[in-house]
Amino acid sequence: GENVEQHPSTLSVQEGDSAVIKCTYSDSASNYFPWYKQELGKRPQLIIDIRSNVGEKKDQRIAVTLNKTAKHFSLHITETQPEDSAVYFCAARGSGGGADGLTFGKGTHLIIQP
Amino acid sequence: GAGVSQTPSNKVTEKGKYVELRCDPISGHTALYWYRQSLGQGPEFLIYFQGTGAADDSGLPNDRFFAVRPEGSVSTLKIQRTERGDSAVYLCASSRTGPTGELFFGEGSRLTVL
Repeated sequence: GENVEQHPSTLSVQEGDSAVIKCTYSDSASNYFPWYKQELGKRPQLIIDIRSNVGEKKDQRIAVTLNKTAKHFSLHITETQPEDSAVYFCAARGSGGGADGLTFGKGTHLIIQP
Repeated sequence: GAGVSQTPSNKVTEKGKYVELRCDPISGHTALYWYRQSLGQGPEFLIYFQGTGAADDSGLPNDRFFAVRPEGSVSTLKIQRTERGDSAVYLCASSRTGPTGELFFGEGSRLTVL
């Protein structure tokens, strides 16, 4: 099955600086890579996703890049703000018949220092 | 309802007891997922329903865990002979289409087995 590694586990940045979170996956057939944000005690919420037919996707201050050859993808947050503080999870889904659930990384606790 | 609804939000039970957790997905969403999230970890896939049928139950840890979705809407996750290691937040998510569509998570049911 799919294995997703995520790092760092904790990331502290100054407000206004950029943050980068990286993930690797094992299944070369994986074709969908979402990122979820989870605030303390709240539900995970999708913030951005990318499919395997593109290398980069941007949405305002958030961008995701995908390198299929190296099997890694990254989340980039620019001009960080206090409300960006949360745990971020990457995930990957293989192409096996549509029945597989997403495999999540262990999460990155992003702390925005004022 | 507007979002995925899960009940109970908190459940404390004794080792060996039987537990049911309920999920009411977003109306019209055909895909429904159960995940389990332990402290400091990412969501761990348990089971995926497409309509009434379990399309993938490969994530269920053992035969004490069972889930149903008899009418293709509400789902119940059933845990028999609970063990302390079952303590976690059980997240339900639904999607309009399937695994490559956005997953909308509920707030989760926190299960504590004493």
